[in-house]
Amino acid sequence: NAGVTQTPKFRILKIGQSMTLQCTQDMNHNYMYWYRQDPGMGLKLIYYSVGAGITDKGEVPNGYNVSRSTTEDFPLRLELAAPSQTSVYFCASSYRGRANEKLFFGSGTQLSVL
Amino acid sequence: KNEVEQSPQNLTAQEGEFITINCSYSVGISALHWLQQHPGGGIVSLFMLSSGKKKHGRLIATINIQEKHSSLHITASHPRDSAVYICAVNYGGSQGNLIFGKGTKLSVKP
Repeated sequence: NAGVTQTPKFRILKIGQSMTLQCTQDMNHNYMYWYRQDPGMGLKLIYYSVGAGITDKGEVPNGYNVSRSTTEDFPLRLELAAPSQTSVYFCASSYRGRANEKLFFGSGTQLSVL
Repeated sequence: KNEVEQSPQNLTAQEGEFITINCSYSVGISALHWLQQHPGGGIVSLFMLSSGKKKHGRLIATINIQEKHSSLHITASHPRDSAVYICAVNYGGSQGNLIFGKGTKLSVKP
């Protein structure tokens, strides 16, 4: 049981390049989330999904896109990378997304845009 | 604006000391989470609270709903407890409404 798996762990992009951060969970969780963590700041929600085929914007969605074609996978797409997207990205999941449920996090992706 | 404030921002302790990390929030909440972020970056959920107190090993989490305040205590601290501890509160019914604090960086010296 691997939990939440994120790839890659590190990536350097040039301004204007695109990339996809992969996230997979094997716990049959309905809810999945993408967060970004900037230095000295709390995690901010980018996008989330309540199930296959359903996604919604979080607090900081600009410059990102997501899709949820299966329960297991929730990739995050960066189009036209900008230096402001330099951050550490975390994928997370929970079973039913209720306030008192445990969140499971991936190990993070450290992204630099130069 | 819904805010989560943690104190202290940084904390250095000697092995064996009793440690307290505080979290304050501004409005009524559905639940409060304590998370641990290891030096390697991974985040682990420690506790979820909506009232009272929870204990797991040397870690104790308490919440005072009236005062809008929670504390995370570590008894008999150990260097392996060195990590960033993050408080997150849920103001709504789903976890799409989580607001995260900036974290408290704990360093426990042997």
